[in-house]
Amino acid sequence: DARVTQTPRHKVTEMGQEVTMRCQPILGHNTVFWYRQTMMQGLELLAYFRNRAPLDDSGMPKDRFSAEMPDATLATLKIQPSEPRDSAVYFCASGRRLAGEETQYFGPGTRLLVL
Amino acid sequence: GESVGLHLPTLSVQEGDNSIINCAYSNSASDYFIWYKQESGKGPQFIIDIRSNMDKRQGQRVTVLLNKTVKHLSLQIAATQPGDSAVYFCAERSLETSGSRLTFGEGTQLTVNP
Repeated sequence: DARVTQTPRHKVTEMGQEVTMRCQPILGHNTVFWYRQTMMQGLELLAYFRNRAPLDDSGMPKDRFSAEMPDATLATLKIQPSEPRDSAVYFCASGRRLAGEETQYFGPGTRLLVL
Repeated sequence: GESVGLHLPTLSVQEGDNSIINCAYSNSASDYFIWYKQESGKGPQFIIDIRSNMDKRQGQRVTVLLNKTVKHLSLQIAATQPGDSAVYFCAERSLETSGSRLTFGEGTQLTVNP
């Protein structure tokens, strides 16, 4: 049963610290998405990659957030420096476009709390 | 701007009844729609999808209906079970205008009473 995996599942840190979240997409999927979910804003797309190249990062605050795909099996999302307003659940999703359809499969999320 | 929204934030049904969750969208260029289920503490889980050239698609106990004229999407769950209790999100995509970007609705909390 192929699944998207994310680490860590939970992270508590202090304001100003660097946070790195990792994602392993489903094998064979060539698109990776990063989302943030809060009660106030719901699910927001931060960025996505296809074949490891960034296609859209318009939803990501550029001054403190960065997303990369060092290889096809690993995507990272970094926040430096972190702020309390970054507290949220961060989801990674992966997908593969077939005949115009591109179902996104979500990981379990990283629950981030910045104090 | 374009948005996707849900009519009802909460829905409570009795076990065994059918549930209908509604979603309105505003982007006339949307070509693909997905319903997700999110249980507490978990990531969204794919339920069913439909392309804009269809008006109905059925899965196991679920049916999605698409009315492009009024830009309305619905998810029907037959014989609702306690395990169906979750937040349900609709999402839409416009390949032409926004590539693979999905826009999610606000979510509807479905509660199934035993």
